[in-house]
Amino acid sequence: EVQLVESGGGLVQPGGSLRLSCAASGFTFSSYAMHWVRQAPGKGLEYVSAISSNGNRTNHANLVKGRFTISRDNSRNTLYLQMGSLRAEDTAVYYCARFTIFGVDSWGQGTLVTVSS
Amino acid sequence: EIVMTQSPATLSVSPGERTTLSCRASQSVSSNLAWYQQKPGQAPRLLIYGASTRATGLPARFSGSGSGTEFTLTISSLQSEDFTVYYCQQYNNWPYTFGQGTKLEI
Repeated sequence: EVQLVESGGGLVQPGGSLRLSCAASGFTFSSYAMHWVRQAPGKGLEYVSAISSNGNRTNHANLVKGRFTISRDNSRNTLYLQMGSLRAEDTAVYYCARFTIFGVDSWGQGTLVTVSS
Repeated sequence: EIVMTQSPATLSVSPGERTTLSCRASQSVSSNLAWYQQKPGQAPRLLIYGASTRATGLPARFSGSGSGTEFTLTISSLQSEDFTVYYCQQYNNWPYTFGQGTKLEI
């Protein structure tokens, strides 16, 4: 069974930093591209970042470009999102997601990031 | 970046009815379009990929169509569990943008 478990969320002040992690199990992690998708309270889904299976290609949404960095450690089956210069509008549940040629077929339960003073 | 526009934002329908949700891309995404369903407090669930292929285990009452810039998700006979929010997402070009969602309400 595919499992994606996010961690690292919490309360952070504006301008602060946070690193999210996503522990993957139940599949060959190194064979799949991975995404971060977020959802602000009461709002829709928003693509954040993507990384190729071997980590050599990454992409970030314009809203987070230059502030967030996606990375992965295939030896640890773990996906990361380093977030910096956080703003109130970054407050959201952050989902780790497995991407296939069929779209995102597996999602974690999400971790809440709250940016507030 | 490709902008995905879903319409309508909210759709009021009755159980047993047939309904169609629309998704439009600001430029062609070929058939690289997925539909997701999200229930309150849950992560999204993949319904349709490749614009028209049902995900494993999805009831046949769900169907997708379209290519290029115009896409639809049709639910042929609404069940009570279908009244929730639906999103489209293009995965043709990074960033893989989502539509803003359509909420189905009774």
